Amino acid sequence: KNEVEQSPQNLTAQEGEFITINCSYSVGISALHWLQQHPGGGIVSLFMLSSGKKKHGRLIATINIQEKHSSLHITASHPRDSAVYICAAYEGGADGLTFGKGTHLIIQP
Amino acid sequence: DTAVSQTPKYLVTQMGNDKSIKCEQNLGHDTMYWYKQDSKKFLKIMFSYNNKELIINETVPNRFSPKSPDKAHLNLHINSLELGDSAVYFCASSPFPRAANYGYTFGSGTRLTVV
Repeated sequence: KNEVEQSPQNLTAQEGEFITINCSYSVGISALHWLQQHPGGGIVSLFMLSSGKKKHGRLIATINIQEKHSSLHITASHPRDSAVYICAAYEGGADGLTFGKGTHLIIQP
Repeated sequence: DTAVSQTPKYLVTQMGNDKSIKCEQNLGHDTMYWYKQDSKKFLKIMFSYNNKELIINETVPNRFSPKSPDKAHLNLHINSLELGDSAVYFCASSPFPRAANYGYTFGSGTRLTVV
């Protein structure tokens, strides 16, 4: 069974800072997801990666398959980025996702 | 709108009652899931259905019974509710076998409180 570890668990930063959240997993996967959950509770899929790097606006996600490691970066962070960010491993087939415990990010003005 | 929709959004009920949560997706996805998010916000898979067929049944008490009348619907029925069942339940769908390319879509969650 895949073990998904995220760090840090909690992160408080000032507006404008560059943010990095890390995720590692123990077993080879088909894809890795980055999800965002706002205080209201809904879950939004930010990225799905099987290799390399993806960028969407101020968000960048990278994955290193050999090292079983992924990072989520936020450039020019803003208070509206405050949320819980969750990485999740997808092993394939009709398997569900295995989730990390999430990173609670607070961006202060 | 294309989406995964869950009802109800909030559910407060007494111990021992039986309740259902409904989930529908109009994305044409083949696979649907139920996930549970506990009080520490940790998400864990409960069930996975592919074209109405149960694929994954994690170690969930048999008081929880998923039902999939067609591939667009996956309902969750819970018998004899217990205090420990209080959690947020998320439905999700993916286009198996292409989930690795197209990802997941989540419902907005159902917050179940058992009193």
